[in-house]
Amino acid sequence: QQQVKQSPQSLIVQKGGISIINCAYENTAFDYFPWYQQFPGKGPALLIAIRPDVSEKKEGRFTISFNKSAKQFSLHIMDSQPGDSATYFCAASLQGGSEKLVFGKGTKLTVNP
Amino acid sequence: DAGITQSPRHKVTETGTPVTLRCHQTENHRYMYWYRQDPGHGLRLIHYSYGVKDTDKGEVSDGYSVSRSKTEDFLLTLESATSSQTSVYFCAISPTTGLNEKLFFGSGTQLSVL
Repeated sequence: QQQVKQSPQSLIVQKGGISIINCAYENTAFDYFPWYQQFPGKGPALLIAIRPDVSEKKEGRFTISFNKSAKQFSLHIMDSQPGDSATYFCAASLQGGSEKLVFGKGTKLTVNP
Repeated sequence: DAGITQSPRHKVTETGTPVTLRCHQTENHRYMYWYRQDPGHGLRLIHYSYGVKDTDKGEVSDGYSVSRSKTEDFLLTLESATSSQTSVYFCAISPTTGLNEKLFFGSGTQLSVL
């Protein structure tokens, strides 16, 4: 049973556009929602994370929007750049344990120049 | 990559042979993890360790074993490799497993089982 559903699988955006990746979760006990960014040939790296007590978190051009009632959260990349081309994974953690981190299947983002 | 070295980076092996992947960290972090990454499946936890000689199973542990005899080294062993274990394997570390935990990943090992 997939606990975190991520969409779309792939996304193509023009430079300067907004990239939006969505995730939905099932378990209301999840209390930590990170996003990881992975470049080809590299391991994933933490990009930004949010806890359910806030509805939005912004770091530079990256914003997480969180809707607790809908059990959904999304990553918005403003003014997308070719250097943002990567695979993005959403994740959710149960009761704060890293060993309980569940990942979505990933979204491959391509930003065309 | 945060003081994490995975070896080998690439390996091709035959079905039925034993394979050991190594993860070495220089950060002195307590927690270490092995994940596999497959198209359409994202990242799935195989095993993790919360200290020397302290390990536990993850979501997809069948066919894998691990050992941690030193803080800095975490070994993943495929006792008898199968084609379904062809994957990219990532080691990750974290200093804690509580609130605001952050995983640091290595660069991965591409394993092909023929």
